[in-house]
Amino acid sequence: DQQVKQNSPSLSVQEGRISILNCDYTNSMFDYFLWYKKYPAEGPTFLISISSIKDKNEDGRFTVFLNKSAKHLSLHIVPSQPGDSAVYFCAARLWTSGSRLTFGEGTQLTVNP
Amino acid sequence: DSGVTQTPKHLITATGQRVTLRCSPRSGDLSVYWYQQSLDQGLQFLIQYYNGEERAKGNILERFSAQQFPDLHSELNLSSLELGDSALYFCASSVGINTEAFFGQGTRLTVV
Repeated sequence: DQQVKQNSPSLSVQEGRISILNCDYTNSMFDYFLWYKKYPAEGPTFLISISSIKDKNEDGRFTVFLNKSAKHLSLHIVPSQPGDSAVYFCAARLWTSGSRLTFGEGTQLTVNP
Repeated sequence: DSGVTQTPKHLITATGQRVTLRCSPRSGDLSVYWYQQSLDQGLQFLIQYYNGEERAKGNILERFSAQQFPDLHSELNLSSLELGDSALYFCASSVGINTEAFFGQGTRLTVV
């Protein structure tokens, strides 16, 4: 039972354009959502998060949108840079389960110069 | 550098063997988590310890066990290894139970 799904295994965009990564979840009890970035041979690095009581959170070039009714969140990167090329994981947390995270399968983002 | 240290980085072993993966959390972090990432899959939660006590358990096989020691480092023991156990094993740590987790670089286990 995959409670967090990233349906696009890969995404390719041009430098300077917007990258939009999508994530869907099934458990309405998730209260906190996170995006992690992972480079090869490294562990996931926290990027940005959003609480379920908000619908948008922004940090520099990164913005996360949450649509609770659709159980959908997205990560927008504007403008995209070649250094953003990595695997992006969406993750969700249940308050009752502590910091335990449920991850999606990941999306490989490639930003072309 | 997240401050979470995992050793070894790579491990190749035969089926049926037993291995131990080690994790040193960030200084001051009391919580340690173990995740498994198999090929083309997301990270699957295995187990969490908080200040030496088991806090939460995920889909961890009975052949796998873990513990957190008084100095807060943690070990994940994998026994009777099968080919399907080949994966990246990540350790993460956080200060508390509901705070941000930071990941180590992972241990790549290959079972041949």
